[in-house]
Amino acid sequence: NAGVTQTPKFRVLKTGQSMTLLCAQDMNHEYMYWYRQDPGMGLRLIHYSVGEGTTAKGEVPDGYNVSRLKKQNFLLGLESAAPSQTSVYFCASSYSRRVGSYEQYFGPGTRLTVT
Amino acid sequence: AQSVSQHNHHVILSEAASLELGCNYSYGGTVNLFWYVQYPGQHLQLLLKYFSGDPLVKGIKGFEAEFIKSKFSFNLRKPSVQWSDTAEYFCAVNARNNDMRFGAGTRLTVKP
Repeated sequence: NAGVTQTPKFRVLKTGQSMTLLCAQDMNHEYMYWYRQDPGMGLRLIHYSVGEGTTAKGEVPDGYNVSRLKKQNFLLGLESAAPSQTSVYFCASSYSRRVGSYEQYFGPGTRLTVT
Repeated sequence: AQSVSQHNHHVILSEAASLELGCNYSYGGTVNLFWYVQYPGQHLQLLLKYFSGDPLVKGIKGFEAEFIKSKFSFNLRKPSVQWSDTAEYFCAVNARNNDMRFGAGTRLTVKP
C-alpha cells in the first residue's frame, strides 16, 4: 500500500515551458487535491476533484489545469510556466463526505523551480 | 471564506520544555479541525483531529489539542518536547465541505 505518490520529485523549467505533475493513490479515495506550499503562506488549494471525471477550482487556480480521467490519478498541468509558480506542490486524497471523514492523506511533494 | 491564523511563525525551545502553538480560525459554522506535522524533507502527516465530542483530543507522539468554540481556537500542546519534534506544524480547518484551509505554519526548533 503505497498511499499517495507523486512524480516527479524535482523539476526545473524555463519560463513558458509546460509540464504535467502526476498524483496517484491506491486507497480508493473519492476526493483528490492539489496544493502549493510557499514559505509563510502554508498550503493553498489549487484544484480538487470529488470523483472520476470531475474537477473544481480551489483558492489559487490561475495558470493551472487538472484532469481526473481515472479514479486513482489526478494530473496537474502547467501550460506556460512562470517564475511565480516556483513552489512545492503536494497532492492529497481523502474519502468522500459520505464516509464522514475529512482527513487528507498527502504525497511526498514535487519541488518545481521556474527560471 | 474561512481563514486560519497561526500566530507563532518560529518557536525555539529546549528539550523537556512545554509547548503550546496557537491556532485561531474564522468561520461561524460547524468545523472539523486538524493539526498536521511536516518533518524536514517529508510530507505532511496527521497529528490529531477534532470532529465532535470531547473538545480535548489526543494525538500521536504525546500531542494534544483543545477546541474552544467560544474563542474559535484549537491550540496544540505537548508537556515535554523532544529534539525529534523539530518540524513545521500546520493547523487546518474544514467547514464540512471540500475546502480545507491551512494556516501559514509554525516552525518548531527543539535544541538538544
